[in-house]
Amino acid sequence: EAQVTQNPRYLITVTGKKLTVTCSQNMNHEYMSWYRQDPGLGLRQIYYSMNVEVTDKGDVPEGYKVSRKEKRNFPLILESPSPNQTSLYFCASTRLKTGVHQETQYFGPGTRLLVL
Amino acid sequence: KQEVTQIPAALSVPEGENLVLNCSFTDSAIYNLQWFRQDPGKGLTSLLLIQSSQREQTSGRLNASLDKSSGRSTLYIAASQPGDSATYLCAVRGGSEKLVFGKGTKLTVNP
Repeated sequence: EAQVTQNPRYLITVTGKKLTVTCSQNMNHEYMSWYRQDPGLGLRQIYYSMNVEVTDKGDVPEGYKVSRKEKRNFPLILESPSPNQTSLYFCASTRLKTGVHQETQYFGPGTRLLVL
Repeated sequence: KQEVTQIPAALSVPEGENLVLNCSFTDSAIYNLQWFRQDPGKGLTSLLLIQSSQREQTSGRLNASLDKSSGRSTLYIAASQPGDSATYLCAVRGGSEKLVFGKGTKLTVNP
């Protein structure tokens, strides 16, 4: 089954304690991305990756890091989490195609993070 | 900077009613537009994807239209059911594959 998986699904942590949220896709997609969703602000892109070893900032990258060492995995790293990073996080992936016709983006189930 | 607006923010209808959700975007230079469904506390499920060269897409009771020049899309839901209750999100794709999302329309279908 084609899917994007995230772990953990729920996480409570304290300010300053480094954490990693994993994301994995089994569709051999080149493109992967992280979004956060906050009430009243909607979904905003944090980081994205067009392929292995190629990453770039989205709209709200401050306080986050990512890496893309393998095509299937795109972990999100919070080196020193703060309460304003409490949010619902989504990983997404899609196949990159040239031309007009593009494919849908597939989203993971989400990771709900609470930073105390 | 692309901005996506969805109106209304919330909608409550009786079961069986046909309804329309609206999405507008400020920059017409898009590659495609997607409609997603999100259930409370859950992930996003893609409903329909309309390429920039297309005018509409249909899936079952759902029909989405796209008017790129005017920066508008509508999602039409026929014969609504309580199971359609969810938040519906519209997203446009511009450069870098990034999706820019609207804030959603929360739909409640009452039995």
